[in-house]
Amino acid sequence: GESVGLHLPTLSVQEGDNSIINCAYSNSASDYFIWYKQESGKGPQFIIDIRSNMDKRQGQRVTVLLNKTVKHLSLQIAATQPGDSAVYFCAENSGPGMNDMRFGAGTRLTVKP
Amino acid sequence: NAGVTQTPKFQVLKTGQSMTLQCAQDMNHEYMSWYRQDPGMGLRLIHYSVGAGITDQGEVPNGYNVSRSTTEDFPLRLLSAAPSQTSVYFCASSYDQERNTEAFFGQGTRLTVV
Repeated sequence: GESVGLHLPTLSVQEGDNSIINCAYSNSASDYFIWYKQESGKGPQFIIDIRSNMDKRQGQRVTVLLNKTVKHLSLQIAATQPGDSAVYFCAENSGPGMNDMRFGAGTRLTVKP
Repeated sequence: NAGVTQTPKFQVLKTGQSMTLQCAQDMNHEYMSWYRQDPGMGLRLIHYSVGAGITDQGEVPNGYNVSRSTTEDFPLRLLSAAPSQTSVYFCASSYDQERNTEAFFGQGTRLTVV
């Protein structure tokens, strides 16, 4: 899994399998969390977000789980496809503005055909 | 609608040179920001702007200047380039500063300072 500020871990999955990417956040005051996808040579792209008053949120093929007790966030990707290969990173926000957002280093997901 | 456009995509500078990284958005977003991305680290905020004429420092502002004369443009200036500024730079925008607003990122500028 990933922790804000540490090295970039990797995850390799078979096409069609489910992927789980983890993130340990640091600030217990953070109340808004976002997952981004960054493909090689491109800028980050918003995937899904979740507020601290929720523990689960679903999007298209993605689910984000939040466990505030252990300050852990996860992104689940169902039926992973080759196009899902990218770096995924979480961000936490503890203040009123986006300038209070802090980003993790990311996890590199590789999907094997 | 092009989104957030950054130029150039690649740049090599010599130590001590100055340059401006351009960022433009056509979504009429009020909030714009500059980040740098270094290997093994998350995006770090350099400077941001909550509207035309307003700028403020982020987490790592030293060695960089910004201005926001229009809603569309938010250039980042390197005053005297140093090897420590070798990085990938991303510009982002959102329609306001509130944290529950989706941020749109440019494609990035890869800068090498030799």
